[in-house]
Amino acid sequence: DAGVTQSPTHLIKTRGQQVTLRCSPKSGHDTVSWYQQALGQGPQFIFQYYEEEERQRGNFPDRFSGHQFPNYSSELNVNALLLGDSALYLCASSLTPTNEKLFFGSGTQLSVL
Amino acid sequence: EDKVVQSPLSLVVHEGDTVTLNCSYEVTNFRSLLWYKQEKKAPTFLFMLTSSGIEKKSGRLSSILDKKELFSILNITATQTGDSAIYLCAVAHYKLSFGAGTTVTVRA
Repeated sequence: DAGVTQSPTHLIKTRGQQVTLRCSPKSGHDTVSWYQQALGQGPQFIFQYYEEEERQRGNFPDRFSGHQFPNYSSELNVNALLLGDSALYLCASSLTPTNEKLFFGSGTQLSVL
Repeated sequence: EDKVVQSPLSLVVHEGDTVTLNCSYEVTNFRSLLWYKQEKKAPTFLFMLTSSGIEKKSGRLSSILDKKELFSILNITATQTGDSAIYLCAVAHYKLSFGAGTTVTVRA
């Protein structure tokens, strides 16, 4: 049973560029959430996707956008990268949008130079 | 605004010691409290607590929730080097709100 998978594992970008991160949920899960974890901090909620729509959103600017595909996989896009966007980006999946128990992937480590 | 505060921020113990990790919270529309263990990158689920006073146990780990005083405790007994990790506490409403974590280092 495959867990949550994310790609790539590491990424280096420069300021102003755009980045796309990808996530496949755990088998049987239809809801995907994205979190940003800065060094020394806990993960911060970015948004949640269910039925190919953004259902909930945290306190992140519009530069952060996402998409969910019919097979439940998801993408996180960040435009106009800032140095402060450097972080570990975690994808999590759940059985339903209201199920609190999240299963996390190993993340994408994004470095913005 | 949601607040989840974990203490201590870090601690170092020797194998066989017992550790107690604390998590206090102020969250509207509380549904449950979850503990995760983060080694390297992926947080892995430990416990989900919804009712006060009911201890959940898994091997050497146990946790309890106090909804009146708004805190939870995670205990690890007979620690092993494999317990070295960051332990994250999160409170669930429409999202998970995480604390900053407690870094536990277990020395042989």
